[in-house]
Amino acid sequence: DTAVSQTPKYLVTQMGNDKSIKCEQNLGHDTMYWYKQDSKKFLKIMFSYNNKELIINETVPNRFSPKSPDKAHLNLHINSLELGDSAVYFCASSQLTDRVGGYTFGSGTRLTVV
Amino acid sequence: QKEVEQDPGPLSVPEGAIVSLNCTYSNSAFQYFMWYRQYSRKGPELLMYTYSSGNKEDGRFTAQVDKSSKYISLFIRDSQPSDSATYLCVADSNYQLIWGAGTKLIIKP
Repeated sequence: DTAVSQTPKYLVTQMGNDKSIKCEQNLGHDTMYWYKQDSKKFLKIMFSYNNKELIINETVPNRFSPKSPDKAHLNLHINSLELGDSAVYFCASSQLTDRVGGYTFGSGTRLTVV
Repeated sequence: QKEVEQDPGPLSVPEGAIVSLNCTYSNSAFQYFMWYRQYSRKGPELLMYTYSSGNKEDGRFTAQVDKSSKYISLFIRDSQPSDSATYLCVADSNYQLIWGAGTKLIIKP
């Protein structure tokens, strides 16, 4: 009955590889997000999709490409991984117009690039 | 200057103490404010929200917003070791969340 689930939980890969992280939510929310949390624990928004439409696209290298096949899924593909991409990536979902409901986060994917 | 500022801590207090966590923000247009709690190796979870100025209480937790000084506070009464986590204050800016860096709280048994 996990609300927001992302896979894998851990990912260790070499520089230059391409990898994907998947996210699914069963809350019926219309908006999903990708966040990056660096070693200093600062959460930074990367992308947001509302009903499969990209609504937030922060300044992120174009090696990062999100894809939302439907409003319950948001995947993140990363090409040509670099050491600086090592971080925890969180998926989240919300109902866009429900300001007080907040975001529901997944448990994170800990990416280590070696 | 970051739009939402928090002291990263860590803040270490003995069990049972009253904890005060604080944030300042720069944009007077912010009206919705939230506190999220993040345990180690977990995603953040919504703890409380407040709208505009005033207090909101939920069990041992009280959130307070003072818009005149652009100051946000979270008070935890009768703190427990299970309250040990990072607390993030967040402002809602036109449906986009502006996150503070979080304050790490440690409650010593």
